[in-house]
Amino acid sequence: QQPVQSPQAVILREGEDAVINCSSSKALYSVHWYRQKHGEAPVFLMILLKGGEQKGHDKISASFNEKKQQSSLYLTASQLSYSGTYFCGTGPNTGNQFYFGTGTSLTVIP
Amino acid sequence: KAGVTQTPRYLIKTRGQQVTLSCSPISGHRSVSWYQQTPGQGLQFLFEYFSETQRNKGNFPGRFSGRQFSNSRSEMNVSTLELGDSALYLCASSGIDSLYGYTFGSGTRLTVV
Repeated sequence: QQPVQSPQAVILREGEDAVINCSSSKALYSVHWYRQKHGEAPVFLMILLKGGEQKGHDKISASFNEKKQQSSLYLTASQLSYSGTYFCGTGPNTGNQFYFGTGTSLTVIP
Repeated sequence: KAGVTQTPRYLIKTRGQQVTLSCSPISGHRSVSWYQQTPGQGLQFLFEYFSETQRNKGNFPGRFSGRQFSNSRSEMNVSTLELGDSALYLCASSGIDSLYGYTFGSGTRLTVV
């Protein structure tokens, strides 16, 4: 039931792009994305509410393919501050259980 | 506005003891969820409370329990602690439909020795 993320880990140089995928075996009604820096709490990035929706701010965006039960997070022109572990979260119809994905560790180096 | 507050930040307990963790959500948030985070297992859902009622429960043994008070503050209790319970316990609060995501507290780091 826990969404699976890929890759598990990625190392980038500043300015490079990355894509993180989130795949679920169950129907997705909404997808959240969070970033957790080492030693800190996860921080909400964005929510996608329906299939086909794409969102973004700064150079981080996401898409949601409802039919494939997948979501992807796109980081372009990465910055050092993007380093952290990224989690997708799926569900709920209000009142349903909310699951976080397996996590993707992203490290940006100079 | 004040964020999600978890107390205590750190705890060291002995096997067999019990522990109670506290979480105060953002003012106005009525949903509080609890997660266990370990390096190998990621974020595992424990339970969610909404308006003093447990709305969802994850796959944890009955030693893990929780409750929510009328002011939305929540407590989590673990009885008969085991070494494997050592983890970071995070609580998260949200509005009624989580449209603005979950706001996490800084967590309680529990070490069982």
